[in-house]
Amino acid sequence: GAVVSQHPSWVICKSGTSVKIECRSLDFQATTMFWYRQFPKQSLMLMATSNEGSKATYEQGVEKDKFLINHASLTLSTLTVTSAHPEDSSFYICSASRTVDTEAFFGQGTRLTVV
Amino acid sequence: GDSVTQMEGPVTLSEEAFLTINCTYTATGYPSLFWYVQYPGEGLQLLLKATKADDKGSNKGFEATYRKETTSFHLEKGSVQVSDSAVYFCALSRNTGGFKTIFGAGTRLFVKA
Repeated sequence: GAVVSQHPSWVICKSGTSVKIECRSLDFQATTMFWYRQFPKQSLMLMATSNEGSKATYEQGVEKDKFLINHASLTLSTLTVTSAHPEDSSFYICSASRTVDTEAFFGQGTRLTVV
Repeated sequence: GDSVTQMEGPVTLSEEAFLTINCTYTATGYPSLFWYVQYPGEGLQLLLKATKADDKGSNKGFEATYRKETTSFHLEKGSVQVSDSAVYFCALSRNTGGFKTIFGAGTRLFVKA
């Protein structure tokens, strides 16, 4: 199989703090990982693409200094929401693919609530 | 750019009714097409996929056929159950230096007993 796991599944944090979300490929090595954001009752919007060992590529309108992405190994990518505010509350989902030209598999998502 | 358009919801059906959720896409080349399902409070689950024209994806009684001539990938199920209540996302994926997945807006399905 191809299992992608996110941690935590949900997190509540205070406004102004930073939160780190992990995305792990459990049974395969992922050259490329993607991060998506889903607002309530809306579709998923791609935030950024990360390739192992290089800087992430952010989609237009996504603040790279606010949403820090690190893909330091072939099985782990992290998304850090810095100085979180209530408007950052959302459902964040990652996906991972073995190589640049193979299908991506999705994690179960992380629900972030900033209070 | 690539895009996916699916019918707006919510769709409300009685148990055992026939389900169709329309999905059309715009893309250059030959994308792979997917249907994902999201149950309340959960992440995405891949429901079915098709990777080339005329392929039929099927799973759990759901099916969809990749129609290149009409650029469509409509989801169908002959007899829905209450447990099928969820949000369904049509999506495409194409290798553009990485398999980005482009999602439709999602269609919420309610099935009444």
